[in-house]
Amino acid sequence: KNQVEQSPQSLIILEGKNCTLQCNYTVSPFSNLRWYKQDTGRGPVSLTIMTFSENTKSNGRYTATLDADTKQSSLHITASQLSDSASYICVVRPSGGSYIPTFGRGTSLIVHP
Amino acid sequence: ETGVTQSPTHLIKTRGQQVTLRCSSQSGHNTVSWYQQALGQGPQFIFQYYREEENGRGNFPPRFSGLQFPNYSSELNVNALELDDSALYLCASSFARVSSYNEQFFGPGTRLTVL
Repeated sequence: KNQVEQSPQSLIILEGKNCTLQCNYTVSPFSNLRWYKQDTGRGPVSLTIMTFSENTKSNGRYTATLDADTKQSSLHITASQLSDSASYICVVRPSGGSYIPTFGRGTSLIVHP
Repeated sequence: ETGVTQSPTHLIKTRGQQVTLRCSSQSGHNTVSWYQQALGQGPQFIFQYYREEENGRGNFPPRFSGLQFPNYSSELNVNALELDDSALYLCASSFARVSSYNEQFFGPGTRLTVL
């Protein structure tokens, strides 16, 4: 069964600090992994997409890593801002079938001033 | 360019009733997917429509059904509502042919409460 596990479930940090969110998956065959940011009451918005051959990808203060061998990904947020407070969801897509994605439960990040 | 829109924003129903949720896809997108997101959980895939035909379904009972119209807008219908159907229902659209790389653009969701 395809699964995506995220940790921690929730995280509280002070503004300006860095943090790292984790994602482990068992989706096979693997096609790609996306990190989404979901603000409260809104739909998710894509931050990055990682394919099999990519190890690191940055989008501003967000840096995602992927280890396809261990089936792990991380999202590192640098110099956090209050607007980073949101849920961060890891989504993995297979390379066959209808490409139905499997979503993680998300990590709830709260940034305090 | 108009993004994905959903209606209504909020909805309250009672057990046993039926509900229809609506989604207008982003301009140029012909694939629409529906997701159920319970409180504190990640979205769960319900089904996907590509060019007006169902193209993939998650682990949801037949009382969850859908339609996609020629303009690629879509409806999600849920019959015989149960308390556990209370959730945020998200619609997402994507561009052109179905691919594992197509980015999905999500609407703001419809918050359904079943009493």
